Amino acid sequence: AQKVTQAQTEISVVEKEDVTLDCVYETRDTTYYLFWYKQPPSGELVFLIRRNSFDEQNEISGRYSWNFQKSTSSFNFTITASQVVDSAVYFCALRLLYNQGGKLIFGQGTELSVKP
Amino acid sequence: DTEVTQTPKHLVMGMTNKKSLKCEQHMGHRAMYWYKQKAKKPPELMFVYSYEKLSINESVPSRFSPECPNSSLLNLHLHALQPEDSALYLCASKQLERSGNTIYFGEGSWLTVV
Repeated sequence: AQKVTQAQTEISVVEKEDVTLDCVYETRDTTYYLFWYKQPPSGELVFLIRRNSFDEQNEISGRYSWNFQKSTSSFNFTITASQVVDSAVYFCALRLLYNQGGKLIFGQGTELSVKP
Repeated sequence: DTEVTQTPKHLVMGMTNKKSLKCEQHMGHRAMYWYKQKAKKPPELMFVYSYEKLSINESVPSRFSPECPNSSLLNLHLHALQPEDSALYLCASKQLERSGNTIYFGEGSWLTVV
């Protein structure tokens, strides 16, 4: 069975602090894809990043960075120098390569609150 | 801005009403999805259309009826809903020609059943 766990339900930080959102996944498949989405209060799920299971390179995009470690089945997301606009719910998701219809398996989400 | 457009943004309907949610994308994606999201929960898959044909129905009650009139449009017809069906309904799309492509979501339609 496949599963995604985001153990942090809520995180509150003060602006300019760094914050890391944890994501741990479970699958027996060897080929899969991991995603992070951001959901602001407006409701839209905004795609942030996709990582393939065979590519363990970490990635940095501006203030955002992702650390993918297959050895610990983790795909953590760090926001550097957080801003109020980063306040949102963040979802980590897993999709298997051989998966009917491309179904996403979501974690429960982490609600990030960045206070000024 | 999202390239998946959903209308209406907000909908309030009575339990005896018939209404529809609409979704449109012009990215040439041939897979389209309906997800339902309750407050403080992750999205849950309802339906998947591949090449305009229904490929997955996640045991959704028949009061929800999806329709894919063409490769750009996806509708969700609503009839005799219950108050517990109140939720955010998200449409999404994806390319089919290559595996691993990203699923892109719309802004969602907030549905309240009274």
